[in-house]
Amino acid sequence: TQLLEQSPQFLSIQEGENLTVYCNSSSVFSSLQWYRQEPGEGPVLLVTVVTGGEVKKLKRLTFQFGDARKDSSLHITAAQPGDTGLYLCAGAGSNYQLIWGAGTKLIIKP
Amino acid sequence: GAGVSQTPSNKVTEKGKYVELRCDPISGHTALYWYRQSLGQGPEFLIYFQGTGAADDSGLPNDRFFAVRPEGSVSTLKIQRTERGDSAVYLCASSLAGDYNEQFFGPGTRLTVL
Repeated sequence: TQLLEQSPQFLSIQEGENLTVYCNSSSVFSSLQWYRQEPGEGPVLLVTVVTGGEVKKLKRLTFQFGDARKDSSLHITAAQPGDTGLYLCAGAGSNYQLIWGAGTKLIIKP
Repeated sequence: GAGVSQTPSNKVTEKGKYVELRCDPISGHTALYWYRQSLGQGPEFLIYFQGTGAADDSGLPNDRFFAVRPEGSVSTLKIQRTERGDSAVYLCASSLAGDYNEQFFGPGTRLTVL
């Protein structure tokens, strides 16, 4: 069974600080996606990483896929209150199903 | 419509009752997914449709859960004899094909079973 462990589960930091969220598995994924979800809404896709070692940047967000395609990280630089939300990683396995992490609830205090 | 819509946004029902949750996907998307999300958890896969047929219903927890998509567009998730443990947010997503890289989610239906 493929599992994705996401850490930390909860993070509360001050505006302007940096943070990193991790997604780890013992399984290899063909690709990995990061989503952001706000209360009362469905997840919204932020990025998909496909190649081992790939790094993608989305403004202050940096996403990295591990060389072995088993893990990924999301780094936020100079966090802002608007970054507050639930961040979810999801790995694509051998079929169309996504394997989801439990999410990281991020709160950025002004 | 511009995005995936789900109705109702909230549903409160009593234990033992029957409920229907509706999903209207993005026009032209052939793939449709139902997920269930509990508080503090990621989405849990329930069922996947490709067109009108259920390509994979392995995530449905038991035979009280059933979903249809008769015309390959709107889908209805049906739950019989609801239990308190069914309380969760039910999310629907659609994509152009069976391509998990392009799933677009609706806002969800929050189901509360009293």
